[in-house]
Amino acid sequence: EDQVTQSPEALRLQEGESSSLNCSYTVSGLRGLFWYRQDPGKGPEFLFTLYSAGEEKEKERLKATLTKKESFLHITAPKPEDSATYLCVAYMGSGGYQKVTFGTGTKLQVIP
Amino acid sequence: DSGVTQTPKHLITATGQRVTLRCSPRSGDLSVYWYQQSLDQGLQFLIQYYNGEERAKGNILERFSAQQFPDLHSELNLSSLELGDSALYFCASSVEPHAGKLFFGSGTQLSVL
Repeated sequence: EDQVTQSPEALRLQEGESSSLNCSYTVSGLRGLFWYRQDPGKGPEFLFTLYSAGEEKEKERLKATLTKKESFLHITAPKPEDSATYLCVAYMGSGGYQKVTFGTGTKLQVIP
Repeated sequence: DSGVTQTPKHLITATGQRVTLRCSPRSGDLSVYWYQQSLDQGLQFLIQYYNGEERAKGNILERFSAQQFPDLHSELNLSSLELGDSALYFCASSVEPHAGKLFFGSGTQLSVL
């Protein structure tokens, strides 16, 4: 069974305290690994796509990396506005079949 | 603003009733997806339409149905509502039929009392 597991479930950081969020996946036919940010009561917002092991993407204080079994979202010197739930998504399939599996997310709180 | 519009934002109804949720995708996007998000669960994929035709089905109950119209807007119909159907329902859209990069609307909060 395809699984996407995120850890920790919740993370509380002081402003400026860097850390990493983990997404481990057990899926067949991975076509891409996506990261989204979701603010309370709002729809997820796309952050990154990673397609192959070793790939890295950066945006402001965020950097996403991918290995064959997991992905990390590194947050460098976070600010309170980075507080949100971060979702990892595995995109699988080939030909006419496709499947998207969302992780349950890591809720990040950055304290001033 | 993602460009995906969902209405209504909030819906309160009673058990046994039927409701319709509406979604307008981003301009140019042919694919529409419906997701359900409950408090204790992550996003659950319900169904996808591409250019008016059903493309993929997820964990959608038989009491639920959807369609995509010629102008590409989509409606999700929920009938014989139960307390457990209370959730945030999101619509997302993409240009391609097979896409992991989705643009989400702000959701419809459904409360079944």
